[in-house]
Amino acid sequence: EVKLLESGGGLVQPGGSMRLSCAASGFTFTDFYMNWIRQPAGKAPEWLGFIRNKANGYTTEYNPSVKGRFTISRDNTQNMLYLQMNTLRAEDTATYYCARELPGYPYVMDAWGQGASVTVSS
Amino acid sequence: DVQMTQSPSNLAASPGESVSINCKASKSISKYLAWYQQKPGKANKLLIYSGSTLQSGTPSRFSGSGSGTDFTLTIRNLEPEDFGLYYCQQHNEYPYTFGAGTKLELK
Repeated sequence: EVKLLESGGGLVQPGGSMRLSCAASGFTFTDFYMNWIRQPAGKAPEWLGFIRNKANGYTTEYNPSVKGRFTISRDNTQNMLYLQMNTLRAEDTATYYCARELPGYPYVMDAWGQGASVTVSS
Repeated sequence: DVQMTQSPSNLAASPGESVSINCKASKSISKYLAWYQQKPGKANKLLIYSGSTLQSGTPSRFSGSGSGTDFTLTIRNLEPEDFGLYYCQQHNEYPYTFGAGTKLELK
């Protein structure tokens, strides 16, 4: 069974940093592109970025809205995905999801975690 | 960015009925639209991609149609487990974008 489990959320002050983790299991992690998506309460989800699979060199792409502040990485020995978030703002408050991309269908997510809540507030 | 507009925002229906949810893109996205279901305490579920391709495990009462800028998700013969939030998402171009959602509630 495919499982994705986010952790590391919580309260952070404006200007601060936070790293989210996503533990993956039930599939060959290195074969898949992995994404981060966030969703402010009551609003539309927003794609943040992805990290490619082994065959494509684990390179990354980001939404321009977070490029330069957010960094996606992965530890393929531990089947872990990470989202490093810096210079956080109140508008970064959201539930953050990791998601696996459907092979062969760019930008389609066929498995999601249940989300980690991040609140940016003083 | 491609803006995705969903309608209606809220929809009330009874089990056994059929409903349709619409999604409109601000520019042509060819056939590249996905639909997801979101329910409290559960992971989001991919229902349909490329406009009309059912994801493995999606019941056949779900169907997707449309191309270009206008798309529809239809659910026939609603089951109790179908009530929840539905989102569309264009997967045609970067950055890929979502609609604001449709809440399907029990009448």
